[in-house]
Amino acid sequence: SQKIEQNSEALNIQEGKTATLTCNYTNYSPAYLQWYRQDPGRGPVFLLLIRENEKEKRKERLKVTFDTTLKQSLFHITASQPADSATYLCAGRSNNRKLIWGLGTSLAVNP
Amino acid sequence: DVKVTQSSRYLVKRTGEKVFLECVQDMDHENMFWYRQDPGLGLRLIYFSYDVKMKEKGDIPEGYSVSREKKERFSLILESASTNQTSMYLCASSSPHDRSYNEQFFGPGTRLTVL
Repeated sequence: SQKIEQNSEALNIQEGKTATLTCNYTNYSPAYLQWYRQDPGRGPVFLLLIRENEKEKRKERLKVTFDTTLKQSLFHITASQPADSATYLCAGRSNNRKLIWGLGTSLAVNP
Repeated sequence: DVKVTQSSRYLVKRTGEKVFLECVQDMDHENMFWYRQDPGLGLRLIYFSYDVKMKEKGDIPEGYSVSREKKERFSLILESASTNQTSMYLCASSSPHDRSYNEQFFGPGTRLTVL
């Protein structure tokens, strides 16, 4: 079945470092991948979308890559801040136009 | 500022009750979605709609129904609530762009507890 997998282990980093989160997809080729941020008790908030024909996308301190050979997207937050602490969700468009969601990776940025 | 609102943030119901969860969006979006989110299971799609009066089953539609009488409103109905429907329910909307389901805008969620 089509799957989006994210590292279930929480990521702890020091303020100012770059956080890198991984999203792997299996058994299909998504036309695009999306990244969302979710704070506890709240709905996800869209951050970035990257299409399969794009290698990299940037938005302020965020960068996303899409590697169709590795079947993987990397999500980077540079110069991380404690306010970046949240769960980050990856979602890929499925063949029937719905989104397939990963379980998310929790990021904690320590001051 | 775009907005998706849900009728309640917290709801407590009894087993067997009929439960209505309402979602309203002000972005004139064609697509609307209902998810539930549980620890370890992530976001799971219950139903979605890409037009008024249109609905399609998601991955876990059993025990739920939906109604979309107006473009801005998408209701989720639990016909007879059960304890295994205790969850966080999230509504989302998106614009169609040839129905490619682009970025989804989420409501704040309703935490439903069924006793």
